[in-house]
Amino acid sequence: AQSVAQPEDQVNVAEGNPLTVKCTYSVSGNPYLFWYVQYPNRGLQFLLKYITGDNLVKGSYGFEAEFNKSQTSFHLKKPSALVSDSALYFCAVRGLSSGSARQLTFGSGTQLTVLP
Amino acid sequence: SQTIHQWPATLVQPVGSPLSLECTVEGTSNPNLYWYRQAAGRGLQLLFYSVGIGQISSEVPQNLSASRPQDRQFILSSKKLLLSDSGFYLCAGRTSGNTGELFFGEGSRLTVL
Repeated sequence: AQSVAQPEDQVNVAEGNPLTVKCTYSVSGNPYLFWYVQYPNRGLQFLLKYITGDNLVKGSYGFEAEFNKSQTSFHLKKPSALVSDSALYFCAVRGLSSGSARQLTFGSGTQLTVLP
Repeated sequence: SQTIHQWPATLVQPVGSPLSLECTVEGTSNPNLYWYRQAAGRGLQLLFYSVGIGQISSEVPQNLSASRPQDRQFILSSKKLLLSDSGFYLCAGRTSGNTGELFFGEGSRLTVL
């Protein structure tokens, strides 16, 4: 079975400072990894994904994530946070060996608040 | 690009009344489709998924049902709503054969009184 852990329910960071939202995963075989963002009362928006290749993945709105196979982590990062980055962030994983249409396993979400 | 249209955006219904939430997909054919429920602005619970017309798999036994009458149409229904059915419902899709990325609708906020 595959699983995702987002160990922090809440992350606060000052505007202009770097931000990190943590994610670790467990899956059989090589993973597909994803980050999504959700603003209040809205659907989830795709930010970025890791499939294969370079461990550092760049995505939308200046976000990036680093895949670390030995630590089974896929932390989301941004060099300089904006107040408008305040939202709920979800990490998700799908194992390559998964044939089920159940698809992605989502983490429980991390609420990011960027303070002005 | 793929787009999901979901409606209604908000709905307030009395206990015991029926429910119908609908989503339609644009920009892709033969997608896998999903209904999720999100309670209290947090984790996503997968309710149903469908790999094709008339094919529905239920993840959680409950008061809800789903149907897929057309390739790009997915409907969530209930005959009699319970208070516990309140929540934020999200329709999602995935193009068959791609790398597993989901695209989501804007959600439907259901309040059962």
